[in-house]
Amino acid sequence: DAGITQSPRHKVTETGTPVTLRCHQTENHRYMYWYRQDPGHGLRLIHYSYGVKDTDKGEVSDGYSVSRSKTEDFLLTLESATSSQTSVYFCAISGIGTSGSYEQYFGPGTRLTVT
Amino acid sequence: KQEVTQIPAALSVPEGENLVLNCSFTDSAIYNLQWFRQDPGKGLTSLLLIQSSQREQTSGRLNASLDKSSGRSTLYIAASQPGDSATYLCAVKEGSQGNLIFGKGTKLSVKP
Repeated sequence: DAGITQSPRHKVTETGTPVTLRCHQTENHRYMYWYRQDPGHGLRLIHYSYGVKDTDKGEVSDGYSVSRSKTEDFLLTLESATSSQTSVYFCAISGIGTSGSYEQYFGPGTRLTVT
Repeated sequence: KQEVTQIPAALSVPEGENLVLNCSFTDSAIYNLQWFRQDPGKGLTSLLLIQSSQREQTSGRLNASLDKSSGRSTLYIAASQPGDSATYLCAVKEGSQGNLIFGKGTKLSVKP
């Protein structure tokens, strides 16, 4: 299994509070991604990073910011959480797999509930 | 904009049946296609990856095919078992380091 962890695994927070989710990898891969998964929508890209301090927006980036100060860590921040951000958040890394092609490997997910 | 569609959204079969899950995508310019399995409340497990130059990949009872020109992929599961019950996700990648674009999944239930 790819060395990718997420913390916390579960979090309940109140509307309006800031929340930071952490993704940590031990694979030294350059590319990292944050997705959210919602019923009826599947997985959608929030932000991604292509190197330290290099990030870009995805399909559903409004209300989220990211930071990457080290290769191994990619942080997702909800500046002021809203109920619409209740979701399961997955981090992924991209690297060459056994197929010889770039594959994405996913973390275990963080279940966030905003009340 | 690339869109990925999976049909059916849900499928229930008796144990032992062979079954096919379908995935279609709108833009044939893909880098690769991955099939994932997701158990309830769990993360994603990669099952098979097909490079754009390949036609199929096999792993045990699973066989995935890719017809890039028609924008279709199928996941064939032979001799289904109750342990195969899960949601199966199809995702395409448009560049070597691009993000994955996912379908909404097919929820499979295999009844003993």
